[in-house]
Amino acid sequence: DAMVIQNPRYQVTQFGKPVTLSCSQTLNHNVMYWYQQKSSQAPKLLFHYYDKDFNNEADTPDNFQSRRPNTSFCFLDIRSPGLGDAAMYLCATSRDPGGNSPLHFGNGTRLTVT
Amino acid sequence: KNEVEQSPQNLTAQEGEFITINCSYSVGISALHWLQQHPGGGIVSLFMLSSGKKKHGRLIATINIQEKHSSLHITASHPRDSAVYICAVRSRDSNYQLIWGAGTKLIIKP
Repeated sequence: DAMVIQNPRYQVTQFGKPVTLSCSQTLNHNVMYWYQQKSSQAPKLLFHYYDKDFNNEADTPDNFQSRRPNTSFCFLDIRSPGLGDAAMYLCATSRDPGGNSPLHFGNGTRLTVT
Repeated sequence: KNEVEQSPQNLTAQEGEFITINCSYSVGISALHWLQQHPGGGIVSLFMLSSGKKKHGRLIATINIQEKHSSLHITASHPRDSAVYICAVRSRDSNYQLIWGAGTKLIIKP
């Protein structure tokens, strides 16, 4: 089945230790998104790629970076995780931007910072 | 006032009951999404609507663009339907940002 896969499902890192979360998709979608979701809150868009074009949301901290080496893969790098970065990180894809393309989400990576 | 309002916030029902969750929004939209999230889990996209009505299995979603209102219905509810149901809209001003409702926590008791 075509899908969006996030690895790992659970990630534990130490305060200040860089961590990378990965997302892969078999849908060949043009747009990939990274969301951060804290407990009982709505997901917050961090950034997205439209093909190779990277778009950072204005309030995304500099501590968060992303790479998309090819259509299938997208990575979220947290350079120096703080305790406040503990959250569920969700990857999503859509064929195109705009209202005509459904979103497909992965199962998320739950990040714990110790 | 939030741009996307869902009601009810919490809903507990018995297995087999017909469930309705409502979503009202105040912005011009290009699409409305209904999403499901189980505790600690990822998000599953149930429907994307820009007009009319869609049905998938026991789930039905409707939207009234003039009234800026959408409903999600679950027929013959089952305990496995227990989850948070989220309404989110893509405004006409943004191709990428979603405006999210607060979610409706649904519990179906056996």
